[in-house]
Amino acid sequence: QKEVEQDPGPLSVPEGAIVSLNCTYSNSAFQYFMWYRQYSRKGPELLMYTYSSGNKEDGRFTAQVDKSSKYISLFIRDSQPSDSATYLCAMSARSYGGSQGNLIFGKGTKLSVKP
Amino acid sequence: DTGVSQNPRHKITKRGQNVTFRCDPISEHNRLYWYRQTLGQGPEFLTYFQNEAQLEKSRLLSDRFSAERPKGSFSTLEIQRTEQGDSAMYLCASSFGQWGSPLHFGNGTRLTVT
Repeated sequence: QKEVEQDPGPLSVPEGAIVSLNCTYSNSAFQYFMWYRQYSRKGPELLMYTYSSGNKEDGRFTAQVDKSSKYISLFIRDSQPSDSATYLCAMSARSYGGSQGNLIFGKGTKLSVKP
Repeated sequence: DTGVSQNPRHKITKRGQNVTFRCDPISEHNRLYWYRQTLGQGPEFLTYFQNEAQLEKSRLLSDRFSAERPKGSFSTLEIQRTEQGDSAMYLCASSFGQWGSPLHFGNGTRLTVT
């Protein structure tokens, strides 16, 4: 089992839809959770950053962390064609396999929002 | 532009040649990271620096790879005797403060080994 599981999609939705993206993880030591958006041939761009469990909202984006279920989500409201990209979840632990808190990424979910 | 800058954007090289990439982090960031990303995968950690000290290297970083960050400013990643399996996007990221701080990525250097 990989440390972080993420459905690669592709996911196609009509403009205006609510999008739900998810990741599961196996190591309860993870404490910081991030979502990145990556456009083709570009680097990952930080979207959301949360610590421990709970919700965080920023504009059309909401991040949820459920540590008891080892499950994180990103919701996009009123999706736009410009949201079409690959979304990567990432997480870090204080100490994990000898690492000092480096990010572990999911494979990414490719999202397409159709006009 | 005050983001992470990487050069070159794209490098094509023949197998067996050496290549060097450069990363200029966000100026006040003390931590600098190198990641590698292949098609359809998330970025994988290679190494990181806190200021000028290289504090950790992944098992992915074979002895053909070397990274430096002189004076805690820009960093270089060199790959010697390139192999076709080295073809990937090499991403640099930087962060400020201690562990858990969010990483800010550059747009990467895409390496193609023919």
